[in-house]
Amino acid sequence: GENVGLHLPTLSVQEGDNSIINCAYSNSASDYFIWYKQESGKGPQFIIDIRSNMDKRQGQRVTVLLNKTVKHLSLQIAATQPGDSAVYFCAENISGANSKLTFGKGITLSVRP
Amino acid sequence: DTAVSQTPKYLVTQMGNDKSIKCEQNLGHDTMYWYKQDSKKFLKIMFSYNNKELIINETVPNRFSPKSPDKAHLNLHINSLELGDSAVYFCASSQSGDAEKLFFGSGTQLSVL
Repeated sequence: GENVGLHLPTLSVQEGDNSIINCAYSNSASDYFIWYKQESGKGPQFIIDIRSNMDKRQGQRVTVLLNKTVKHLSLQIAATQPGDSAVYFCAENISGANSKLTFGKGITLSVRP
Repeated sequence: DTAVSQTPKYLVTQMGNDKSIKCEQNLGHDTMYWYKQDSKKFLKIMFSYNNKELIINETVPNRFSPKSPDKAHLNLHINSLELGDSAVYFCASSQSGDAEKLFFGSGTQLSVL
C-alpha cells in the first residue's frame, strides 16, 4: 500500500540556518512529488514539486531532492526565516487520469530568533 | 481575489444535525477535491470531481454527500453529524484530473458537540 511519511515530527532551527525536512515514501510507482507549507489557520500552500525523471529542483530559497533508489524526498530551505515557521507536508502521486495526491504526516518547522 | 474560497470558516454544531460547507474556485480548474485534516494534521482525500463528475470517493460514509452544480463549485453536505466528524475540511482544485499542484482553500473547522 501507499505510505508517505516523515522522519521527524518537529524541527527547530536557528534563524539564518539552513533547514532540511525529510520524507520517505514507499510506493515506487509514484512519479510526482510535491511539498506544501501550512501556516496556522490556513490551507496548505504549494512550495515546490518534482517529477521522478529529475533528482533535484531549485526554487527561491528552496531545493527539493529526490532519491528514487531509497525512496526519499527532502526539502531544503536556505537561510531560514521566522516566516518559514509552519507545518510542512510532502505528497506523492502516480500521474494519470483520476489520480490523487497522497499526503505524508506533517512536520512542524520552528524557527528560533 | 481568493482563488479557492470556502464557507463557513468555523462551524460549531450539535451531534445529529445536518450541515453544509460550500466551496468555489475562480481559477478555471476542471477538478475539485475535499480533504479532511484530523487533529494530528493528517490530510486525507475524501472526494474529487472532474467537470461535475465524481471520480474519487474514498470510502467516506454515505452521510457525506458532495454536490457539484458546476465545475467552479463543490459543496459538501453532511447528515447526522457525529463527534468523529470534527476536523478541518479543505476544498482544493487542480487544472486537470491529474492531481498535481492542488490549490487549497483556507479550511472549515467543524466542531461537533
